[in-house]
Amino acid sequence: DGGITQSPKYLFRKEGQNVTLSCEQNLNHDAMYWYRQDPGQGLRLIYYSQIVNDFQKGDIAEGYSVSREKKESFPLTVTSAQKNPTAFYLCASSILGISGNTIYFGEGSWLTVV
Amino acid sequence: DAKTTQPNSMESNEEEPVHLPCNHSTISGTDYIHWYRQLPSQGPEYVIHGLTSNVNNRMASLAIAEDRKSSTLILHRATLRDAAVYYCILRAGVGIQGAQKLVFGQGTRLTINP
Repeated sequence: DGGITQSPKYLFRKEGQNVTLSCEQNLNHDAMYWYRQDPGQGLRLIYYSQIVNDFQKGDIAEGYSVSREKKESFPLTVTSAQKNPTAFYLCASSILGISGNTIYFGEGSWLTVV
Repeated sequence: DAKTTQPNSMESNEEEPVHLPCNHSTISGTDYIHWYRQLPSQGPEYVIHGLTSNVNNRMASLAIAEDRKSSTLILHRATLRDAAVYYCILRAGVGIQGAQKLVFGQGTRLTINP
């Protein structure tokens, strides 16, 4: 079945460490997105990408980095510069340029700093 | 970026209709109105979308004001499984090139009483 796979579901990070969250989609979508969600809050956009080797900062990009080396993959690295990284992270994808189409989300990844 | 405004929370009773409002006064002529909902610790799922005319599907109905500055998501007979956070977002129109900076607001937390 087509969809978006995020891994790991749960991740613990020590302070000062970088961690990478994986996001893979087999929907052949051009656009991919990363959101952060804090408990009881809405989604905030971290980064988004429309094409391989290109991506743009969202509203809260500081302390995060991404890459888009393959169409189906959009990993997010939470760096040590992100001072408060504990949150729920969501990856999404969509067809580019056709706004009537659905946005698909992964199941999310919980990151906790210990 | 075009923004939407929703009430923080709403409450309804099981088997009664629910009307969830969304204001989007800065909507442009080709923006689509999308609704998603999110259960705890899950990624958002698609509910419905529309451009100008009212829309119906198996999950809900979408009523769009004539001036398109507001819309209402209608759940005809709420069940306990409809308890979720509902997000109303705008997507730039067909043919818009470049990644769409999809911005989710705080959403409306819907509580269903048995």
